[in-house]
Amino acid sequence: DVKVTQSSRYLVKRTGEKVFLECVQDMDHENMFWYRQDPGLGLRLIYFSYDVKMKEKGDIPEGYSVSREKKERFSLILESASTNQTSMYLCASSLWAVADTQYFGPGTRLTVL
Amino acid sequence: AQSVTQLGSHVSVSEGALVLLRCNYSSSVPPYLFWYVQYPNQGLQLLLKYTSAATLVKGINGFEAEFKKSETSFHLTKPSAHMSDAAEYFCAAWGAAGNKLTFGGGTRVLVKP
Repeated sequence: DVKVTQSSRYLVKRTGEKVFLECVQDMDHENMFWYRQDPGLGLRLIYFSYDVKMKEKGDIPEGYSVSREKKERFSLILESASTNQTSMYLCASSLWAVADTQYFGPGTRLTVL
Repeated sequence: AQSVTQLGSHVSVSEGALVLLRCNYSSSVPPYLFWYVQYPNQGLQLLLKYTSAATLVKGINGFEAEFKKSETSFHLTKPSAHMSDAAEYFCAAWGAAGNKLTFGGGTRVLVKP
């Protein structure tokens, strides 16, 4: 079974702090994704990566950056956390780039005070 | 414009009754379509996906979905609800808005005994 793990289930940070969310997958998948989940809005794509050291902006990249130094690890960075970034963050991975099943981690619920 | 629309953010069904969750997409080219389920405090997992092989797609846990091009719909059904079906369900489309997965807003299902 594919396993996607996220470093924290719950995180509380203060406005202006730099926040790191880590995601690791164990199935040698090429593609990794970061989503934000908000009630009524479903999941919205923040950033994705098709290869090591490669990144592409999704629909809502403002205020976020990412890092992929190793194939199995994809990090989401909030440069200066703001209260409107309070949300559930989900990481996913897939083997193929096009229309493939994505495997999701359990999510990190981030609260910014 | 919303690319994937789920009708009804909350659905309540009695145990043993039909579950029907509606999903419509807006795309001139039929996209690849998915249904994911999110159980409480978990990430999303794939229920089923449509990739143009057959219009009626069977998934896990007794769920199935029918692709209707004329109606641009991909509704999810289960003949008899079980208490364990209580979860949030997301419809998603690859290719409806670029080369990425676009999610609907989600439908939370409550199953009454």
